[in-house]
Amino acid sequence: GAVVSQHPSRVICKSGTSVKIECRSLDFQATTMFWYRQFPKQSLMLMATSNEGSKATYEQGVEKDKFLINHASLTLSTLTVTSAHPEDSSFYICSAHNGGSSYNEQFFGPGTRLTVL
Amino acid sequence: AQSVAQPEDQVNVAEGNPLTVKCTYSVSGNPYLFWYVQYPNRGLQFLLKYITGDNLVKGSYGFEAEFNKSQTSFHLKKPSALVSDSALYFCAVREPISGNTPLVFGKGTRLSVIA
Repeated sequence: GAVVSQHPSRVICKSGTSVKIECRSLDFQATTMFWYRQFPKQSLMLMATSNEGSKATYEQGVEKDKFLINHASLTLSTLTVTSAHPEDSSFYICSAHNGGSSYNEQFFGPGTRLTVL
Repeated sequence: AQSVAQPEDQVNVAEGNPLTVKCTYSVSGNPYLFWYVQYPNRGLQFLLKYITGDNLVKGSYGFEAEFNKSQTSFHLKKPSALVSDSALYFCAVREPISGNTPLVFGKGTRLSVIA
């Protein structure tokens, strides 16, 4: 089946620094990738939709200047948390859609746990 | 707007007993429905989906779900629970507008199977 990887799996950083998270589709081309965040014991909340070669579409309430998304190729999307603060600590999960068919499900990465001290 | 409700935060079941995790949805038009499972500190694993056709969908690890259009439900079931089934389960819906619409998730139900 389709595999999506995320790197790093876990990161701890100091407040004020920036952190980049990579999401890769390993065996398929993903025209669209989605970024979600999950707080402890809560559901996944969509942050943004990332389309290859174009600007990301952010959900209401998500700061695009704080959460920079780059979808530079059909297999890679990156999420950069700029000037991270403790409230940004969360579990970030990406998913990738492998084609134009609406029948195709999304494949999820294993997630990245960000802890901001 | 589409939405998903999982009315139970926690479901406890004895090993060997049947289990049901409930899900209801709201969407305009015909829904695409999904169930995912999440183990601690892991991403989501796909269990099954309903797109069209037979209302009873069979998925991974012996799970199945029944699409009920009149009740707008898509409950997850398994005839005999295993301790290893203990995890967090998410129901999700997507409108079939195009392949690039995101999933909307329920809040999740924690399943605990007791030996």
